[in-house]
Amino acid sequence: AQRVTQPEKLLSVFKGAPVELKCNYSYSGSPELFWYVQYSRQRLQLLLRHISRESIKGFTADLNKGETSFHLKKPFAQEEDSAMYYCALSAGYSTLTFGKGTMLLVSP
Amino acid sequence: SAVISQKPSRDICQRGTSLTIQCQVDSQVTMMFWYRQQPGQSLTLIATANQGSEATYESGFVIDKFPISRPNLTFSTLTVSNMSPEDSSIYLCSVVLGRGGSEAFFGQGTRLTVV
Repeated sequence: AQRVTQPEKLLSVFKGAPVELKCNYSYSGSPELFWYVQYSRQRLQLLLRHISRESIKGFTADLNKGETSFHLKKPFAQEEDSAMYYCALSAGYSTLTFGKGTMLLVSP
Repeated sequence: SAVISQKPSRDICQRGTSLTIQCQVDSQVTMMFWYRQQPGQSLTLIATANQGSEATYESGFVIDKFPISRPNLTFSTLTVSNMSPEDSSIYLCSVVLGRGGSEAFFGQGTRLTVV
């Protein structure tokens, strides 16, 4: 069975500081990895997916199969990045396995 | 993209009663998913609702407790039956679009409190 681990419940940084939200997974096959974000009073939405290899809102995430990780990074955090971030894995059939989430707080 | 309307957005219910949550999607989708998010926990998949067939339940969830309807390709309901305080949670409806199921869209959630 697949599992997604986000070790930090809360990450608090100052504006302009680098951010790294950790995500590790366990899955025997080739997974698809995603980061979802939920801003205050908004619904959960896709931030980025590893297949796209894109940068969204300054965030990037690289899939490291050797370390089974998919950490989310941003070089300079902004206050509007404050939100709940969920790492998720798809093992096919469109179902997602989510981590417990990390609350990112960016202070001025 | 997909727009999902979920209602009610919140409710406070007495133990022993049942609540039906509705989910409406603005496009036709084969599968709709129901998740539960308990306080401080991750999203956990309850079941997959397929149009024209029985829902597929994940381990730990049973049809008697969480009956699901899927009358057409744009609508589904989840009922939380014989509720207890342990059922207090946020319930989310979701669909997946895109090639290979590449993006999930979520309703705004139903915050249920059982007293």
